[in-house]
Amino acid sequence: EAGVAQSPRYKIIEKRQSVAFWCNPISGHATLYWYQQILGQGPKLLIQFQNNGVVDDSQLPKDRFSAERLKGVDSTLKIQPAKLEDSAVYLCASSRPGQVLYGYTFGSGTRLTVV
Amino acid sequence: DAKTTQPTSMDCAEGRAANLPCNHSTISGNEYVYWYRQIHSQGPQYIIHGLKNNETNEMASLIITEDRKSSTLILPHATLRDTAVYYCIVRANSGNTPLVFGKGTRLSVIA
Repeated sequence: EAGVAQSPRYKIIEKRQSVAFWCNPISGHATLYWYQQILGQGPKLLIQFQNNGVVDDSQLPKDRFSAERLKGVDSTLKIQPAKLEDSAVYLCASSRPGQVLYGYTFGSGTRLTVV
Repeated sequence: DAKTTQPTSMDCAEGRAANLPCNHSTISGNEYVYWYRQIHSQGPQYIIHGLKNNETNEMASLIITEDRKSSTLILPHATLRDTAVYYCIVRANSGNTPLVFGKGTRLSVIA
């Protein structure tokens, strides 16, 4: 099966600009996650979707970050306005209902640099 | 916060077994031990998971102590391509419990 697709692969923006990341999960995977990974640290969960509904967004900085998953398939994560500390890799992952035991499949991520 | 403790880094000679330890002394009865790895510039990749019995698959073996307070991931014949950050994660398999990552162990396989 095809993997989790993410785009763009790299993005460089100036602080206070806006940016959006796109994720296409594996077909049939109802649960979708966005993680933020700052250099030298493990991934940190930002938001979790089940189909097109939000399950957990407690760690999403809602004053500047937003995410949506229209029609329960693709998802976009937006930052507006970006700060220097948002420089990180943004990872998308998905999992299939009933196969939670086997964990998630991650995309390769989008590396964001804010200058 | 992550519920596991792992060494920051380890080295292993190519062709030898790599044994990566993990402490999870506060693990609950319904929590599984998962291992993921992250090769440079890629997303994390699932390796193996277990509850209380030892597990083996084509990638690795997982040894869990009888009291379940620690585990060891074993890569039987490490290759240069096994150089990565390895994450040990404790997670309950109920509902939509997310994976919570710590800093992991950076394994360097040396020729």
